[in-house]
Amino acid sequence: GAGVSQSPSNKVTEKGKDVELRCDPISGHTALYWYRQRLGQGLEFLIYFQGNSAPDKSGLPSDRFSAERTGESVSTLTIQRTQQEDSAVYLCASSGEGGQGNSPLHFGNGTRLTVT
Amino acid sequence: RKEVEQDPGPFNVPEGATVAFNCTYSNSASQSFFWYRQDCRKEPKLLMSVYSSGNEDGRFTAQLNRASQYISLLIRDSKLSDSVTYLCVVNREDTGFQKLVFGTGTRLLVSP
Repeated sequence: GAGVSQSPSNKVTEKGKDVELRCDPISGHTALYWYRQRLGQGLEFLIYFQGNSAPDKSGLPSDRFSAERTGESVSTLTIQRTQQEDSAVYLCASSGEGGQGNSPLHFGNGTRLTVT
Repeated sequence: RKEVEQDPGPFNVPEGATVAFNCTYSNSASQSFFWYRQDCRKEPKLLMSVYSSGNEDGRFTAQLNRASQYISLLIRDSKLSDSVTYLCVVNREDTGFQKLVFGTGTRLLVSP
């Protein structure tokens, strides 16, 4: 079926506002990842979900960042009180087969966040 | 030291050339390895998994050296469309969950 879907594709917000980014993984994929990629930089791991649980939150840059996943499906990444350094492309990926190590990631197109 | 290190390049090669990249990883508990490609301003896409015995997919060959903790990617007969960034990805499973760590990528430029 459909691939990983992210919305919005672009978001421009003012410094200090909250934003919510959404990810719809591939149906049946139990593992879901959020990454951040600043312009010209590599992918920075943010958080990983296995089912609805997030065993690893170590990548979240600060307590302004939070994420949740419900129904082993949709995930939202929330950034509170946005700062200019939060400007980046936020990529969501999912993998199947219970998130086994040999399952590749399927990425969404990303949400390009610009904080002015 | 970064967990996954790559030479950022760019590697400049003419069409038809053979080019190889290496990627080193620091965590010996890493179990799975992949190469992804990323076009400018687009999402990464899986190029190939890397198996212990090495594997080949058309013009692309991947090798894994666990003893030295590096993986390699060889591209033969380079095409203009190969001009993207190649991301080395290592899966860590030593903490009971999956964590895929990306290198910062190696950029390839293939010229006519």
